[in-house]
Amino acid sequence: DAGVIQSPRHEVTEMGQEVTLRCKPISGHNSLFWYRQTMMRGLELLIYFNNNVPIDDSGMPEDRFSAKMPNASFSTLKIQPSEPRDSAVYFCASSLGLAATGELFFGEGSRLTVL
Amino acid sequence: AQKVTQAQTEISVVEKEDVTLDCVYETRDTTYYLFWYKQPPSGELVFLIRRNSFDEQNEISGRYSWNFQKSTSSFNFTITASQVVDSAVYFCALSENSGNTPLVFGKGTRLSVIA
Repeated sequence: DAGVIQSPRHEVTEMGQEVTLRCKPISGHNSLFWYRQTMMRGLELLIYFNNNVPIDDSGMPEDRFSAKMPNASFSTLKIQPSEPRDSAVYFCASSLGLAATGELFFGEGSRLTVL
Repeated sequence: AQKVTQAQTEISVVEKEDVTLDCVYETRDTTYYLFWYKQPPSGELVFLIRRNSFDEQNEISGRYSWNFQKSTSSFNFTITASQVVDSAVYFCALSENSGNTPLVFGKGTRLSVIA
């Protein structure tokens, strides 16, 4: 079975440009998470969805970040405009419910570099 | 305050040595879940174990074992007879509120196993 699929795997862009990261969760999973990984801050939760509805976006750094989940099989994380400090690896993860129900499955990540 | 503390930033061991990775967590909840994930050099996060707070029995899976002690709020991970393939960053994570909150990760411990 396919795991969590993220695209692009690598993105290099210039400051001020719009960046869109995409995620396809595992079929049947109803919870989706976006995490950001940096050396300084480790793995931080940005936002999570349950049944396509955003539940907690308190981890989203600022208004430049937005996330959508238009259907059960697709989510996007958009940064507009991007800044060098947004450079990080962005992980999408999905699960059947939350921790009480099962494990979290991660995608391979999208490495973003903003010049 | 950090909810999950992995005090060891980096550990180096020689192949075949045993190594223990420490994890200390903080929560006021009586029901919660603890996890360990492995992040090999390729970057993806791989699930290793999920443990309910009511199950204090230690677990062994091959060369891996986990010691859960509620009295000290610790969930330590031991690799016996380490191998080069064990080289990775290992993350401990916590889900509170009976597992109904997203995972909060520690900063990780980078393990290097030298041949």
